[in-house]
Amino acid sequence: DTEVTQTPKHLVMGMTNKKSLKCEQHMGHRAMYWYKQKAKKPPELMFVYSYEKLSINESVPSRFSPECPNSSLLNLHLHALQPEDSALYLCASSSTSGSGETQYFGPGTRLLVL
Amino acid sequence: EDQVTQSPEALRLQEGESSSLNCSYTVSGLRGLFWYRQDPGKGPEFLFTLYSAGEEKEKERLKATLTKKESFLHITAPKPEDSATYLCAVQADDYKLSFGAGTTVTVRA
Repeated sequence: DTEVTQTPKHLVMGMTNKKSLKCEQHMGHRAMYWYKQKAKKPPELMFVYSYEKLSINESVPSRFSPECPNSSLLNLHLHALQPEDSALYLCASSSTSGSGETQYFGPGTRLLVL
Repeated sequence: EDQVTQSPEALRLQEGESSSLNCSYTVSGLRGLFWYRQDPGKGPEFLFTLYSAGEEKEKERLKATLTKKESFLHITAPKPEDSATYLCAVQADDYKLSFGAGTTVTVRA
């Protein structure tokens, strides 16, 4: 089973709202990722967690705050977003964050910021 | 910096008309080349991982091959359900996937 689940599937929020995206995997993977994907563009890496510790932050604005409560869960907390943050947010996981490891993606959360 | 170029950008095929997608890459120390399929509004679905030149992998109507400079995804006798965007990504010495822009395949019945 290579399933990564994400909730919610769709989210509409105002620029003053606080919301959270959730991601879960039960494959025993120890690396989890957040990506952002704009329409007709490839995914862009935002954050990498390795063994529940944040290992990579790709210069993402502080209005995005990741959290990894345990090895199966990954959250992305959103606050004071801008309309240009509207995108498909993808979670992925892999056995480790080492090179050559296949990353498995979830279905994504479609976010619209008004 | 790693570079990945996919061609063509779009491909329209008749059902049963076989074709190939190209992924050219420039990377120092390839650790893996990955093919994904993505349907509109959905997350990328993993297809293949290739590690070294000469390697080939198959799954149903899809076959991926790898050389030192490029990878091909061959679609044999495609069906309308093969319509999707196909993404190629390479990984060098670290965690990061460098994606190509994708090839959007449309298969007409």
